[in-house]
Amino acid sequence: DTAVSQTPKYLVTQMGNDKSIKCEQNLGHDTMYWYKQDSKKFLKIMFSYNNKELIINETVPNRFSPKSPDKAHLNLHINSLELGDSAVYFCASSQGGFKAPLHFGNGTRLTVT
Amino acid sequence: DQQVKQNSPSLSVQEGRISILNCDYTNSMFDYFLWYKKYPAEGPTFLISISSIKDKNEDGRFTVFLNKSAKHLSLHIVPSQPGDSAVYFCAASTTGNTGKLIFGQGTTLQVKP
Repeated sequence: DTAVSQTPKYLVTQMGNDKSIKCEQNLGHDTMYWYKQDSKKFLKIMFSYNNKELIINETVPNRFSPKSPDKAHLNLHINSLELGDSAVYFCASSQGGFKAPLHFGNGTRLTVT
Repeated sequence: DQQVKQNSPSLSVQEGRISILNCDYTNSMFDYFLWYKKYPAEGPTFLISISSIKDKNEDGRFTVFLNKSAKHLSLHIVPSQPGDSAVYFCAASTTGNTGKLIFGQGTTLQVKP
């Protein structure tokens, strides 16, 4: 069984559209994250939720809105998509503080045309 | 301003030999370091970590060395196996910043049979 699963795996859409990426973890972890891997391959944190509460919100355009309906789910909604939003988005989860390793999903490749 | 750098984009080694992957950082506040391995179309998976109070941590074929004065860490894989072929990411964090990992841009390791 997949520990951290995200859907869809691929997402191709046009500029100006609104899209969502869903993430679910079955590890019982209390913290979930969204990371973005840009064209230069750097992985950068976007958001973090602990027990449904937002604890990290990096400098991300407010077109990006995370939503955590429960501690097993963290969805990412993106409004008014732009070309520069094209990237691979990874969901992750962890349990137990800053030394706990993150468990990543397999990523969602978003292409904005 | 990239705080974690992996200056070698790629590395090729022969099966059975040692692989050494390097990572440099600039932020002296980092006190925990991790290595992740990533196969194509998958998310990064945790490999090994080291706290800043140590200079070495070993787990099977994998050893991470930390040189705080040089702000440098390295991952040694001995012996290298073809299945180790992947992208390796170095990451760093600071106490209290749960899950906020600062990643390098990765090094692609190819282990030739």
